[in-house]
Amino acid sequence: KAGVTQTPRYLIKTRGQQVTLSCSPISGHRSVSWYQQTPGQGLQFLFEYFSETQRNKGNFPGRFSGRQFSNSRSEMNVSTLELGDSALYLCASSSSGDYGYTFGSGTRLTVV
Amino acid sequence: QKEVEQNSGPLSVPEGAIASLNCTYSDRGSQSFFWYRQYSGKSPELIMSIYSNGDKEDGRFTAQLNKASQYVSLLIRDSQPSDSATYLCAVNPRDTNAGKSTFGDGTTLTVKP
Repeated sequence: KAGVTQTPRYLIKTRGQQVTLSCSPISGHRSVSWYQQTPGQGLQFLFEYFSETQRNKGNFPGRFSGRQFSNSRSEMNVSTLELGDSALYLCASSSSGDYGYTFGSGTRLTVV
Repeated sequence: QKEVEQNSGPLSVPEGAIASLNCTYSDRGSQSFFWYRQYSGKSPELIMSIYSNGDKEDGRFTAQLNKASQYVSLLIRDSQPSDSATYLCAVNPRDTNAGKSTFGDGTTLTVKP
């Protein structure tokens, strides 16, 4: 059974640019959550999508957005990148969030 | 007060000992509780889930939940060097469609041979 696939694994972007990250969940999982992980803040919840609808949202600015497609694949977008957006972005797949997550390998974003 | 708090660590135990990791949470209505293990440079991996008061055992791991005290713990028996990792406590709040876990900052465990 394939795991959670995140692409790309690494990204280097310049301040002010935008970036799109992709996540393919485990087959059959309809819930995809996104987290930002930094040494100082730990794992911070960005948002969750379930059946193409945003079901939960964290306390991040509007520059962070996402969507989910009919095949459950999800993308998140960050516009007008800031240095502080440098982090590991993790996608988490779940059949129902109440059973815990399977995480992807993450996308490490560096903003210079 | 943080929503989910863990001992900051690091925690160091000798091989074969019991490692005890603790977590408290602030939302009394929380319903679901999880422990994840994260090796350095890797993503978190779910190792235990617990939903009701008491103990839940899985191999060398035991999760304990006390909702009255708002306390979750993870015991690792016969600790091995391969258990050296950061352990993250995660809590799902009440009244949610449950796709939103709040994580503690993690406790780093080192098991010394």
